[in-house]
Amino acid sequence: GQQVMQIPQYQHVQEGEDFTTYCNSSTTLSNIQWYKQRPGGHPVFLIQLVKSGEVKKQKRLTFQFGEAKKNSSLHITATQTTDVGTYFCAGTASKLTFGTGTRLQVTL
Amino acid sequence: DTAVSQTPKYLVTQMGNDKSIKCEQNLGHDTMYWYKQDSKKFLKIMFSYNNKELIINETVPNRFSPKSPDKAHLNLHINSLELGDSAVYFCASSQAKGLGEAFFGQGTRLTVV
Repeated sequence: GQQVMQIPQYQHVQEGEDFTTYCNSSTTLSNIQWYKQRPGGHPVFLIQLVKSGEVKKQKRLTFQFGEAKKNSSLHITATQTTDVGTYFCAGTASKLTFGTGTRLQVTL
Repeated sequence: DTAVSQTPKYLVTQMGNDKSIKCEQNLGHDTMYWYKQDSKKFLKIMFSYNNKELIINETVPNRFSPKSPDKAHLNLHINSLELGDSAVYFCASSQAKGLGEAFFGQGTRLTVV
């Protein structure tokens, strides 16, 4: 079945450092979505990418969809404490499958 | 108004009991889901309904039975609760199957003792 893996599982950075999480699917995806879940909260949609090689930016966040539509990345520039949480990618092949998540911890 | 609301938020119950979690969405979406999030934070889909019709039924014990009385509601009934059922259960909805943003409820933290 469709599997979506993310690395790293956990990252601890100091405020101001950059952060990247990588998402890899076992199957070609029709689209990729990214979600953020704050501690104790629920996943909240960030963005959707559809086209091969697509890059989208939201302020300090940059999202990429791979050329083969099997991988994606989320890069945060100059992290802030408000970025703390778990970031999930979610890819659609036959169904929407969530990645394993990357937990980001940011300290001052 | 909360877009996707689920009740209760917390549920503590003994092994062997039967319990239900309710979910309602007021977004007019066609597709609703139940996800289970374990202690490692993995989000696993359990069921998906499209217009009251079951379209995804992952490998879930048959003690779990979803019911969709209409497309705005998707409830989850669990029989004979086990310790391993302890998790956070999220209801979600989206406009179409796997396409477009999924909106999540606040989650129900189920603890089986």
